[in-house]
Amino acid sequence: DAGITQSPRYKITETGRQVTLMCHQTWSHSYMFWYRQDLGHGLRLIYYSAAADITDKGEVPDGYVVSRSKTENFPLTLESATRSQTSVYFCASRDAEKLFFGSGTQLSVL
Amino acid sequence: AQKVTQAQTEISVVEKEDVTLDCVYETRDTTYYLFWYKQPPSGELVFLIRRNSFDEQNEISGRYSWNFQKSTSSFNFTITASQVVDSAVYFCALSEEGSQGNLIFGKGTKLSVKP
Repeated sequence: DAGITQSPRYKITETGRQVTLMCHQTWSHSYMFWYRQDLGHGLRLIYYSAAADITDKGEVPDGYVVSRSKTENFPLTLESATRSQTSVYFCASRDAEKLFFGSGTQLSVL
Repeated sequence: AQKVTQAQTEISVVEKEDVTLDCVYETRDTTYYLFWYKQPPSGELVFLIRRNSFDEQNEISGRYSWNFQKSTSSFNFTITASQVVDSAVYFCALSEEGSQGNLIFGKGTKLSVKP
């Protein structure tokens, strides 16, 4: 199916471990985004990418790394997970000023 | 600096009541876009509407309507004759021209519609 797919849907990990959240889109949109959603904060931008090999920081980038070697993939890596990174993570791609979101990844860091 | 405020954290209504969700935004740009997204209990984010800053016409889509007023920097969302399926968290968001499409979200309003 066309669209934007995130995996895994749920993830439990321990502090200090590296975790990678995957995001794949089938539309070939240039822009892609990673947001995290936390109670009381709404959605906040972590990183975004304007095209393959072009990425930039958002509002809350600390502790995260992204890459974009191919247009369709935009993985988000937590290099050393912390409890404060427990959150729901949404990937999105942009088409004509409209963002389309994936189903989200619920990450728990114990 | 851009900002979106949804002052109503939670609203509870009984089915068939009308309900308005408030959204106030701040921006220095003259060209910007406003959005509403719905997040049902299943968790996905569903696009509802996009409005650009030059189009102040109100919009109606079925039971949903949107009132955009630049004079008060508001973009309010009304659900007429609410239904249980409208229960969700609703987010208002702002995107400025030149922001590369990044959306600034409000904190959301949780709407509960009781039968």
